Amino acid sequence: NAGVTQTPKFQVLKTGQSMTLQCAQDMNHNSMYWYRQDPGMGLRLIYYSASEGTTDKGEVPNGYNVSRLNKREFSLRLESAAPSQTSVYFCASSAMRGGDEQYFGPGTRLTVT
Amino acid sequence: GDSVTQMEGPVTLSEEAFLTINCTYTATGYPSLFWYVQYPGEGLQLLLKATKADDKGSNKGFEATYRKETTSFHLEKGSVQVSDSAVYFCALSGTSYGKLTFGQGTILTVHP
Repeated sequence: NAGVTQTPKFQVLKTGQSMTLQCAQDMNHNSMYWYRQDPGMGLRLIYYSASEGTTDKGEVPNGYNVSRLNKREFSLRLESAAPSQTSVYFCASSAMRGGDEQYFGPGTRLTVT
Repeated sequence: GDSVTQMEGPVTLSEEAFLTINCTYTATGYPSLFWYVQYPGEGLQLLLKATKADDKGSNKGFEATYRKETTSFHLEKGSVQVSDSAVYFCALSGTSYGKLTFGQGTILTVHP
């Protein structure tokens, strides 16, 4: 039982390049989330998927897209990376809506130059 | 909207000292409250949680009590260890889809 896995762990992009961050969970959870972590700002929700087949914007969705590929996998895409997207990205999952704990992956550290 | 405010850090303590990290929140309804911990280079792990007023969450010697009258969920530990050095996040979940709203995090460093 690996929990929540993310790839890659580190990535350096040039401005304007695109990439996809991958996330998978093996806990049969319904809900999945993408956060970004910036110094002094805690974690901010980018997008979430309450259940398979649905996705919704969070607090800071601009510049990102997501795909809930199946119940296990939830990817985050940067179509044209910008230096403001330099951050640590975390994927999380939870069994159900509302009040349930979230399980986090190890994170992807992205630098955009 | 929902918000969480944590005490400013960083916090530096000697081993065996008493720890308090303050957390207050603003939310409609009856949110669930959480403390997460992040060790260097790792993702967040749930430390403890409370789902209703007056509940006390506890784990690994850490405790926090859900105080609705003061909208607070302060984290305490009686005797910290060097291994407790980490970043601590207070969070709330107040919506139907389980979105977490985080505080800005408090860096704790414990010296031998």
